[in-house]
Amino acid sequence: SQQGEEDPQALSIQEGENATMNCSYKTSINNLQWYRQNSGRGLVHLILIRSNEREKHSGRLRVTLDTSKKSSSLLITASRAADTASYFCATDGLIQGAQKLVFGQGTRLTINP
Amino acid sequence: DTGVSQDPRHKITKRGQNVTFRCDPISEHNRLYWYRQTLGQGPEFLTYFQNEAQLEKSRLLSDRFSAERPKGSFSTLEIQRTEQGDSAMYLCASSLAQVTGELFFGEGSRLTVL
Repeated sequence: SQQGEEDPQALSIQEGENATMNCSYKTSINNLQWYRQNSGRGLVHLILIRSNEREKHSGRLRVTLDTSKKSSSLLITASRAADTASYFCATDGLIQGAQKLVFGQGTRLTINP
Repeated sequence: DTGVSQDPRHKITKRGQNVTFRCDPISEHNRLYWYRQTLGQGPEFLTYFQNEAQLEKSRLLSDRFSAERPKGSFSTLEIQRTEQGDSAMYLCASSLAQVTGELFFGEGSRLTVL
């Protein structure tokens, strides 16, 4: 079962614009991660934000986390055609012994040149 | 190359046949995960190992599925008596248990059951 839900399911923007994707989850977490997947390929880790952090930056990526709302957002600034991919949020659980990541259904991002 | 490797990358089989996928994790990683991904969906957890011990299995892993990691290094995922519903991308990932929880994924093995 999928814990996270991304919104929107698909997003199409012009190169240079900013892209924002949202993720909501259901249970308490240790951390939340964002991954990227190019079509037909494996997933690549982008960024991890811990439950006691509210915002994190990495290059053109900005992630926020609101644990009271059980939600996160991923902002990609100054988008490029190469950013076209699917983006997934993933959460772990605070349940003792829960060591797996549970992924959302993803946002398909298309950057138009 | 020290990334996660999976073999084969693509497998086409007829319904009822058995298939086996292999995953070689990053050498110092003690955790190994299998996920399944169908078109347009996110990866769904199947099972994971810490060293050679299989610590958790999803309800998705029916009795036709078996995974092993005999020496705590590479792992195999076998599907017996394949069904068309087994068609999916099977993703392997590895990690170090003690650190951040970041998973390193292979490129996946795509299964098509005719």
